[in-house]
Amino acid sequence: RKEVEQDPGPFNVPEGATVAFNCTYSNSASQSFFWYRQDCRKEPKLLMSVYSSGNEDGRFTAQLNRASQYISLLIRDSKLSDSATYLCVVYRGYGGATNKLIFGTGTLLAVQP
Amino acid sequence: EAGVVQSPRYKIIEKKQPVAFWCNPISGHNTLYWYLQNLGQGPELLIRYENEEAVDDSQLPKDRFSAERLKGVDSTLKIQPAELGDSAVYLCASSFGTGGTYEQYFGPGTRLTVT
Repeated sequence: RKEVEQDPGPFNVPEGATVAFNCTYSNSASQSFFWYRQDCRKEPKLLMSVYSSGNEDGRFTAQLNRASQYISLLIRDSKLSDSATYLCVVYRGYGGATNKLIFGTGTLLAVQP
Repeated sequence: EAGVVQSPRYKIIEKKQPVAFWCNPISGHNTLYWYLQNLGQGPELLIRYENEEAVDDSQLPKDRFSAERLKGVDSTLKIQPAELGDSAVYLCASSFGTGGTYEQYFGPGTRLTVT
């Protein structure tokens, strides 16, 4: 079982739709959580951090449930430009050399006109 | 400010040949990472440098892969000899500070095809 699991999709949605992605992680020692965005044939870029209280950035809302080890990303009013792969990322820190980001496989979103 | 620079962007080689990738991190970033990304997968860490020290190379296949960051700035990742299964995108990232912080900035990657 992968340490970070996501539904690979693809999610095909019309413009203006609301879409939600989910992610689970298996290591309870995980400390920090993020969503990265990766456009086709481009590098990953940090989209937003995820906090237990939930956080919002414009049309994007991220939630963390530590008890269930579950992370979500909600995109409202989808735009064509939102089409990309969304990577769920967990920062695993045992201290020192083993601290690292663990990436999920990504969820592909295709917003249709 | 310039981002992480990688070269070459694309490389096609025959199996058993050597190949090298170069990365120049963002100025002032003392931590440098090399990741491997297979098609349909997320990036996987190969090695992390803090300055010139490799602090985590546990995922680097040391029989054929090697890396160096001699002066604590730019870095080279080498594969010798390459195998068909090494075809992937090799991403370099950098961050300010140490400890594997999450604020990593990625380069555009080198897309390797081994035939």
